[in-house]
Amino acid sequence: EPEVTQTPSHQVTQMGQEVILRCVPISNHLYFYWYRQILGQKVEFLVSFYNNEISEKSEIFDDQFSVERPDGSNFTLKIRSTKLEDSAMYFCASSEDYRLETQYFGPGTRLLVL
Amino acid sequence: QKEVEQNSGPLSVPEGAIASLNCTYSDRGSQSFFWYRQYSGKSPELIMFIYSNGDKEDGRFTAQLNKASQYVSLLIRDSQPSDSATYLCAALIQGAQKLVFGQGTRLTINP
Repeated sequence: EPEVTQTPSHQVTQMGQEVILRCVPISNHLYFYWYRQILGQKVEFLVSFYNNEISEKSEIFDDQFSVERPDGSNFTLKIRSTKLEDSAMYFCASSEDYRLETQYFGPGTRLLVL
Repeated sequence: QKEVEQNSGPLSVPEGAIASLNCTYSDRGSQSFFWYRQYSGKSPELIMFIYSNGDKEDGRFTAQLNKASQYVSLLIRDSQPSDSATYLCAALIQGAQKLVFGQGTRLTINP
């Protein structure tokens, strides 16, 4: 069964450093998403991406964040200058369509900013 | 602010009983609703989705949607210890490409 994959599974970084989180969505899916979950809190939407453009972003997704689809398979989330409060689990998800279709989640990257 | 509300629990149910999980949502325009299961430290795993009023059954799981009351529920029949997890309710916001999640209900099935 096709699945979303994410690398790395864990990332530890120093405050102020740049991190890139990588995702490979399900191959026939067209819509891609990043969510995050701070420990003990809700899963929160960050950004959606379609046709090589950001479709929607939340207020969390400020200028420190960017997304890219550098090739036909990868989808990345970059945090330019990490802050302590960026420590969270980051989930990539994909769907065939955004309207009724289910979003399938990857296993997540646990980011710890020291 | 479009919200999804769930009782955070914990909800404790004996093995073999029915577990009932509830969720309300604020955006009357939301069309689709999803139940995800999340084990500690893991990613959300889809259990069911529902977008029509009424019941939808899949094995031991039944999702119920009442759009007039803005209420979604999940019933788990013949609960097993492996069902112990946090259950997340999510709404697909109308016209937006995002899911809004509730805080999740922690369910424990006692052998």
